[in-house]
Amino acid sequence: GAGVSQTPSNKVTEKGKYVELRCDPISGHTALYWYRQSLGQGPEFLIYFQGTGAADDSGLPNDRFFAVRPEGSVSTLKIQRTERGDSAVYLCASSLGRTDTQYFGPGTRLTVL
Amino acid sequence: DQQVKQNSPSLSVQEGRISILNCDYTNSMFDYFLWYKKYPAEGPTFLISISSIKDKNEDGRFTVFLNKSAKHLSLHIVPSQPGDSAVYFCAAPSLYSGGGADGLTFGKGTHLIIQP
Repeated sequence: GAGVSQTPSNKVTEKGKYVELRCDPISGHTALYWYRQSLGQGPEFLIYFQGTGAADDSGLPNDRFFAVRPEGSVSTLKIQRTERGDSAVYLCASSLGRTDTQYFGPGTRLTVL
Repeated sequence: DQQVKQNSPSLSVQEGRISILNCDYTNSMFDYFLWYKKYPAEGPTFLISISSIKDKNEDGRFTVFLNKSAKHLSLHIVPSQPGDSAVYFCAAPSLYSGGGADGLTFGKGTHLIIQP
């Protein structure tokens, strides 16, 4: 079946703008994760959804970042008032359940000018 | 405070030889480890895992060894093939990292280059 998909693959925006990044998980996966990977670093955890609820948002860097998963499937990561330091690849992963293997999407490369 | 460390940013190995990628961790509460492989412009792909109740797990050409007393694990690839050229990440569930995070804690990765 289809893997995790993310759109757009690339996003260029200007400092101060608002962006939305979308993740389509593998069908039937109840757990969904967002990570951020900066250059030369490993992915860093942002937020975890179990179903529709954000079970753990401890990795979100500040209140400019917000994510939703209203129907327990597609998720959107929203970044307000973008800053140049937000430039990174944003990865989404899904798994059957919390302790199961996480499958990653290809990521969205965000560039803030 | 980096709890999962991969100290070699890159590693070059001749095709057919053994590749050994190393990973150290500081949190003795970690009880499960994973290796992910990443090609450019793609997301990480799960490769192999090991539970702390084992010291070895093998899957085809890939073997992971765990030394709990040294807080060290290694991934062995033998024989190395050109398609193995990628960035390899060591990871552990963040549950015991403090803060209750439910994701994975990753190392910085090692770029493996297989030379023909």
